[in-house]
Amino acid sequence: EDQVTQSPEALRLQEGESSSLNCSYTVSGLRGLFWYRQDPGKGPEFLFTLYSAGEEKEKERLKATLTKKESFLHITAPKPEDSATYLCAVQAAGGATNKLIFGTGTLLAVQP
Amino acid sequence: NAGVTQTPKFQVLKTGQSMTLQCAQDMNHEYMSWYRQDPGMGLRLIHYSVGAGITDQGEVPNGYNVSRSTTEDFPLRLLSAAPSQTSVYFCASSYRWTGAYEQYFGPGTRLTVT
Repeated sequence: EDQVTQSPEALRLQEGESSSLNCSYTVSGLRGLFWYRQDPGKGPEFLFTLYSAGEEKEKERLKATLTKKESFLHITAPKPEDSATYLCAVQAAGGATNKLIFGTGTLLAVQP
Repeated sequence: NAGVTQTPKFQVLKTGQSMTLQCAQDMNHEYMSWYRQDPGMGLRLIHYSVGAGITDQGEVPNGYNVSRSTTEDFPLRLLSAAPSQTSVYFCASSYRWTGAYEQYFGPGTRLTVT
């Protein structure tokens, strides 16, 4: 069964303290792995798509990496405005449409 | 572009009532979908559509109906609301229905069924 597990469930950082969020996945062939950011009371906001192992993408203080079993979202020198829930989702290659399977997210709090 | 819009933002229903959650996108996207988000659970797919006139069930379709008469609109109907349908509902769309295209989400509808 296709599955996505995110860890930790919650993470509290001091401003400037770098860390990583993990997304482990089990899927019968990966078509794409997606990272989203979700602020309280809002819809998920797209961040990155990764397609194959070894791929990396960056945006400001965020860098996403992908291996054959997991993805990491590295946050370098975070600021309080990076506080949000970060969601990971995968799309299986065997499916006929671009259905996504989501993890439960990591709630990140960055304190000044 | 307004992107993906949803109405209403909040709704309270009594058990047994019906209602329609509206979703529209102005990006000419083929694929549209409805998710529900509950505490401690990931976003779960309710129904999806790969184009006007074509819909299919997702992971948790029971108690919900959809239709897609135009490319832009994808309403979700609750036939007879139950407390288990208390949730936050998100509509999403993507450019194509095949391929790893990112999905864009609306702001959500928070539904409470009493």
